[in-house]
Amino acid sequence: DAKTTQPPSMDCAEGRAANLPCNHSTISGNEYVYWYRQIHSQGPQYIIHGLKNNETNEMASLIITEDRKSSTLILPHATLRDTAVYYCIVSTTGANSKLTFGKGITLSVRP
Amino acid sequence: EPEVTQTPSHQVTQMGQEVILRCVPISNHLYFYWYRQILGQKVEFLVSFYNNEISEKSEIFDDQFSVERPDGSNFTLKIRSTKLEDSAMYFCASSASRGVTGGQYGYTFGSGTRLTVV
Repeated sequence: DAKTTQPPSMDCAEGRAANLPCNHSTISGNEYVYWYRQIHSQGPQYIIHGLKNNETNEMASLIITEDRKSSTLILPHATLRDTAVYYCIVSTTGANSKLTFGKGITLSVRP
Repeated sequence: EPEVTQTPSHQVTQMGQEVILRCVPISNHLYFYWYRQILGQKVEFLVSFYNNEISEKSEIFDDQFSVERPDGSNFTLKIRSTKLEDSAMYFCASSASRGVTGGQYGYTFGSGTRLTVV
């Protein structure tokens, strides 16, 4: 089973920041937080990941709380094309690690 | 940007038939995966593959499934005797490395093969 909890859905206005929360209270010290998204029935798309520091790339920012029990994915200027299911996943990077997808959060960006 | 390529995009097969789903991972990636997603359900892990052998498989990946990397570029998933419940999107993914670099690389997924068993 997925080790993260996400609200089932949220929406935001186009051009505004979308803040997607995730709880991972049982995260282990060697587990990373990964975010992926799936647009319609396409293959999941990697967005960003982090261990304990905040991370930013061209797609998004990832804010991880100091206790690492929760995180927030920030899409700074959401567009209609950001409408998708967003998955927060915790995973180790050892030889037997794998991504376990939960139900994710459906983000709807409205015009 | 490098892509994972999957063929065919859609496959229709009769129950009991064998199917082979094909994937071309990113050329310098070392780890390969198959996932599936039944319509309206979660993305489910099937199998991971490294150094020419299976490194992990799920309960779904029973004896009717097999994977192979027949040459340096292709990665295939074979379903020996398809069942109606095998109808799903099948996604191939690859990643550059795990463990050594501390999770610096995410997975790159292909666009999927929609398998319909009739």
